[in-house]
Amino acid sequence: AQSVTQLDSHVSVSEGTPVLLRCNYSSSYSPSLFWYVQHPNKGLQLLLKYTSAATLVKGINGFEAEFKKSETSFHLTKPSAHMSDAAEYFCVVSLNFGNEKLTFGTGTRLTIIP
Amino acid sequence: GAVVSQHPSRVICKSGTSVKIECRSLDFQATTMFWYRQFPKKSLMLMATSNEGSKATYEQGVEKDKFLINHASLTLSTLTVTSAHPEDSSFYICSATQVTNQPQHFGDGTRLSIL
Repeated sequence: AQSVTQLDSHVSVSEGTPVLLRCNYSSSYSPSLFWYVQHPNKGLQLLLKYTSAATLVKGINGFEAEFKKSETSFHLTKPSAHMSDAAEYFCVVSLNFGNEKLTFGTGTRLTIIP
Repeated sequence: GAVVSQHPSRVICKSGTSVKIECRSLDFQATTMFWYRQFPKKSLMLMATSNEGSKATYEQGVEKDKFLINHASLTLSTLTVTSAHPEDSSFYICSATQVTNQPQHFGDGTRLSIL
């Protein structure tokens, strides 16, 4: 069994300041982990993925995440927030590169304060 | 690359009608497609998994006769909501993947409103 816990349902940061979205996972096997972003009334866009290669993963739009097995965490960060980053972010776990059943976290809404 | 197109983006219809939603992989062959439902301010709930040429596998609690899924080709899957009622109103999202080690690619979703 596998699960994902997003620790914050809502995060607000000022434009230009760092972003931290927290995610903890639980998996019986070596998981694949993903962060997806969803803008209003849109589908999901893949930000980055971890599939047992480098533990620090760089994604699109300046986002990155670090896989920490000892802490069972996969937090998403960005050095400097931009207004266009305002969206819903989902942490997702899968057993097999993501081409099988995905288990979604409950989402974190990121608000950027001008 | 890896574009998934979903149509229509929004549909409003009367209670009792059937609605068909299409999901197409535009630049790759999708051996597997997934259908999700998303309630307001909630996460995505997997409804079913469909493999080309096979019957869809539905998640527990999803009515097979209510939500008909067809995956007749490697680039097209359809979800038909039969005899729709207001409680079927939701945001439906499809995703598609190839058989290799690639993640799912999502469509832009369909907002279904049943009056």
